[in-house]
Amino acid sequence: SYELTQPPSVSVSPGQAARITCSGDALSEKYVYWYQQKSGQAPVLLIYEDDKRPSGIPERFSGSNSGTMAALTISGAQVEDEADYYCYSTDSNTNKVFGGGTKLTVL
Amino acid sequence: EVQLVESGGGLVQPGESLRLSCVASGFTLSSYTMTWVRQAPGKGLEWISFISRSGGTINFADSVRGRFAISRNNAKNSLYLQMNSLRADDTAVYYCVRGIEAADYYFDYWGRGALVTVSS
Repeated sequence: SYELTQPPSVSVSPGQAARITCSGDALSEKYVYWYQQKSGQAPVLLIYEDDKRPSGIPERFSGSNSGTMAALTISGAQVEDEADYYCYSTDSNTNKVFGGGTKLTVL
Repeated sequence: EVQLVESGGGLVQPGESLRLSCVASGFTLSSYTMTWVRQAPGKGLEWISFISRSGGTINFADSVRGRFAISRNNAKNSLYLQMNSLRADDTAVYYCVRGIEAADYYFDYWGRGALVTVSS
């Protein structure tokens, strides 16, 4: 089965850039999506089709996908960005896969 | 405003059944595929089931296939998940999620979730 691998945790200071990676076989041939989940809340779509932001998502969130790795970058991370972040992709029409999640700490 | 509200969660014993419901508002349910995604306590997200707009196409993750059933009633703006032969490892928050079929398939709006606890 297809797997997406994320680092368990990333830590940055406020105002620094945070980069969360997601790796998988031939990932650059697929679209990658990113979700933010704050404590006790439902996930929110942050990035779709590798690098597009839904309306209402701040510009400091950006996505990229090349080679075997996709990345979510938060330029100038803020305390309110502390959350779990999940990448997602599809291996086939029926196989929908999430990464294991990355806990972002901003302090 | 798009809203998805789950109900029907609770505490059940291993081997028992439970039915989750999700009421959709703020959009036309019949225009969208729908899915269920679950999250075990302290764990990540796991997609478990998909249903097409008409209900004619469904699929399941291996972890629940043969035990869970998904259905919908577009006239009632509702999605359902029938869970049978529940096991301890089915304990999770179950999210009702709207699907988007574009260049790929992904999820845009999520409900707040319903907690299902399977324990004796």
